Amino acid sequence: GQQVMQIPQYQHVQEGEDFTTYCNSSTTLSNIQWYKQRPGGHPVFLIQLVKSGEVKKQKRLTFQFGEAKKNSSLHITATQTTDVGTYFCAGRGNSGGSNYKLTFGKGTLLTVNP
Amino acid sequence: DSGVTQTPKHLITATGQRVTLRCSPRSGDLSVYWYQQSLDQGLQFLIQYYNGEERAKGNILERFSAQQFPDLHSELNLSSLELGDSALYFCASSQSGGMGEKLFFGSGTQLSVL
Repeated sequence: GQQVMQIPQYQHVQEGEDFTTYCNSSTTLSNIQWYKQRPGGHPVFLIQLVKSGEVKKQKRLTFQFGEAKKNSSLHITATQTTDVGTYFCAGRGNSGGSNYKLTFGKGTLLTVNP
Repeated sequence: DSGVTQTPKHLITATGQRVTLRCSPRSGDLSVYWYQQSLDQGLQFLIQYYNGEERAKGNILERFSAQQFPDLHSELNLSSLELGDSALYFCASSQSGGMGEKLFFGSGTQLSVL
């Protein structure tokens, strides 16, 4: 079945440093979504990427979807303490009944030292 | 507040018991998803319903069952509980369950099996 792998599992940075998390799928994806879960909270949708090679920005966050639509990344520039949380990628399959199933990576827990 | 309501917030029970988790989707959303979150497995997709019908199935154990009622609320039933079933169970909803839709998550039910 479809698997979505995410690295690193944990990342600790000093405030002001950059942060990147990477997501890889075992199969081609129709789209990929990113969610953020604050400690003690629930996942909250950040963005969706659909097109091959797509790049989207939200303030200090940059999201990329790979050309083969099998990988994605989230880059945060100049981290702030408010960026603390677990970042998940989630992908939908490209064929058959797996289309509706949104498979999440295990997430990257980001901690920021002020 | 995502608009998705989950009850109860916390549940403590013993092995072998049966529990029911309840979810009310956002107003207007027809599709409901159930996810299990544990420290080592991340967010595991269990099952998805659309307008009362099962749409997609993930790694849901035979001891677990779910349904979506005519008023669109959903219940997840967990029976013959084992210690390993202890986890945070999230419900999420989306408008029609289509491939391009983002999910809105509830606050979760923390299940502890003792």
